Amino acid sequence: KAGVTQTPRYLIKTRGQQVTLSCSPISGHRSVSWYQQTPGQGLQFLFEYFSETQRNKGNFPGRFSGRQFSNSRSEMNVSTLELGDSALYLCASSSYEGGKAQLYGYTFGSGTRLTVV
Amino acid sequence: AQRVTQPEKLLSVFKGAPVELKCNYSYSGSPELFWYVQYSRQRLQLLLRHISRESIKGFTADLNKGETSFHLKKPFAQEEDSAMYYCAPTDSNYQLIWGAGTKLIIKP
Repeated sequence: KAGVTQTPRYLIKTRGQQVTLSCSPISGHRSVSWYQQTPGQGLQFLFEYFSETQRNKGNFPGRFSGRQFSNSRSEMNVSTLELGDSALYLCASSSYEGGKAQLYGYTFGSGTRLTVV
Repeated sequence: AQRVTQPEKLLSVFKGAPVELKCNYSYSGSPELFWYVQYSRQRLQLLLRHISRESIKGFTADLNKGETSFHLKKPFAQEEDSAMYYCAPTDSNYQLIWGAGTKLIIKP
């Protein structure tokens, strides 16, 4: 069974640009969550999608958005990039939704490392 | 706001010694509690969850509601335990609130 796949692995973007990151969950998993990981702030929840609907959202500005497709693949978009957006972006999938996803645990991808210059 | 504190950024112990990674949370409800681990060059993965009362790789975690703590313990550390450990309770929306993590180094 393939794991959670995130593409690309590395990205370098210029301030002001926008970026789209992709996440393919484990086959059969319908819940996808996104996290931002930085040395200063640690892991922070961005949003959760289940069956193409955003179910929960973290405390990030509107520049951060996402979507989920009918095949459960998810994309995350960051517009008007700032230097502070440099981070490792992690995607995690679960066959459960919301609270149950937390209870039974997520499977994480390797992440996309975004560097904004 | 709910918070979780892992007071040690780095913890270094000798192989065979006991290990305790501390985790304190601030939440007046009844959160679910988890420990996640990230070994070098590997993905973040679930280590154990309080709800299962399980012991994984020799690790256990005891919930102390009075102290709002969920410390991770292992009686005899092994070199392969070297990793980054994250404590993660849930908030009222069942979202994980992540600690900053503790880097555990097991010295031979």
